[in-house]
Amino acid sequence: SQQGEEDPQALSIQEGENATMNCSYKTSINNLQWYRQNSGRGLVHLILIRSNEREKHSGRLRVTLDTSKKSSSLLITASRAADTASYFCATAGLNSGGSNYKLTFGKGTLLTVNP
Amino acid sequence: NAGVTQTPKFRVLKTGQSMTLLCAQDMNHEYMYWYRQDPGMGLRLIHYSVGEGTTAKGEVPDGYNVSRLKKQNFLLGLESAAPSQTSVYFCASSSRLAGDEQFFGPGTRLTVL
Repeated sequence: SQQGEEDPQALSIQEGENATMNCSYKTSINNLQWYRQNSGRGLVHLILIRSNEREKHSGRLRVTLDTSKKSSSLLITASRAADTASYFCATAGLNSGGSNYKLTFGKGTLLTVNP
Repeated sequence: NAGVTQTPKFRVLKTGQSMTLLCAQDMNHEYMYWYRQDPGMGLRLIHYSVGEGTTAKGEVPDGYNVSRLKKQNFLLGLESAAPSQTSVYFCASSSRLAGDEQFFGPGTRLTVL
């Protein structure tokens, strides 16, 4: 079964606006990662946040993690048309045979940024 | 440095036919994975490998077999294809030394008629 659930399923905004996507999960994690997928392409890693971290930044991306609520959010600031893609959260569980190499993906949020 | 490559990019099979999907990575990663992606379902793990000569089942392993004879290659086999295996298949690799992120190939779009 899916571990992460993204919300909303689809989001449409204007260029220059901020986009916020949320991810909820069910079990304890070692880390949570966000990936982007352009239409018809493979997934590309964006950012990783560990369970002992609360916030992380990378360029125009800001990720927060609340382990007490089992949720994470991805904020893309000053969005561009090129940010149009699907965004997935993925969790690395604590019970992955003692390692965190296995990821469980959510169903994704489709972000459309209109020029 | 090509990263993760997949062969073929597209394939159409008839029910009952067999085929092998090839994944290759040139990053010396220990771990490799096969996922399938279906509309509205996100990515689901089929099989994975934590090193040369080892494989393990993921979330949806039925109808698939895998082999990891060389560290850089991970093969996914369909012995008797079924229409339910129509999907986009992605291979990925990772290394603990690289920080746990997974690197994905471009995908193989498979249609089973």
